[in-house]
Amino acid sequence: EDKVVQSPLSLVVHEGDTVTLNCSYEVTNFRSLLWYKQEKKAPTFLFMLTSSGIEKKSGRLSSILDKKELFSILNITATQTGDSAVYLCAVEARGAQKLVFGQGTRLTINP
Amino acid sequence: DAGVIQSPRHEVTEMGQEVTLRCKPISGHNSLFWYRQTMMRGLELLIYFNNNVPIDDSGMPEDRFSAKMPNASFSTLKIQPSEPRDSAVYFCASSRDFYEQYFGPGTRLTVT
Repeated sequence: EDKVVQSPLSLVVHEGDTVTLNCSYEVTNFRSLLWYKQEKKAPTFLFMLTSSGIEKKSGRLSSILDKKELFSILNITATQTGDSAVYLCAVEARGAQKLVFGQGTRLTINP
Repeated sequence: DAGVIQSPRHEVTEMGQEVTLRCKPISGHNSLFWYRQTMMRGLELLIYFNNNVPIDDSGMPEDRFSAKMPNASFSTLKIQPSEPRDSAVYFCASSRDFYEQYFGPGTRLTVT
């Protein structure tokens, strides 16, 4: 059965800190890994990763995938209170098109 | 584009009643997904359609749940009869081919 495990489940840091969120997975015929940010409403797309070792970057957020060790990390530098959210990791199996989500990491940034 | 549209945004109903949730995907997207989110189980895929055809409904909890997609711009998720354990936020998402999924705002369902 395809599985996605995120850690930590909850994280509280101060504004300005750097955080690293982890996502490990087990999936048959891996195709892609996606990161979403969920605030009070629906998840919004952040990154899609398909190749190992290539960093995706958007402002203070970056992510990288390791297909050999079956994990991905999401880094956020110089955190701001607006980064407070649940960050979801999901994987897609080739040919399946459906996503399997992890439980999410609840990130709280205190001023 | 208005994004994925869901209605109602909130639904409170009594146990045993029928509940119908509605979704309009983003125009041009050919895949539609129904998810359920709870604190205990996180975000779970219930069913998804490709070109209006149900592809995988293995996530549908039981026979009380049914989903239809009569055309490319509309889908429904029906629960009949509803039970308190169905209380959750139900998300609809759409995508074009194999690209990222865009989520609707969700319907918060409370069954008393």
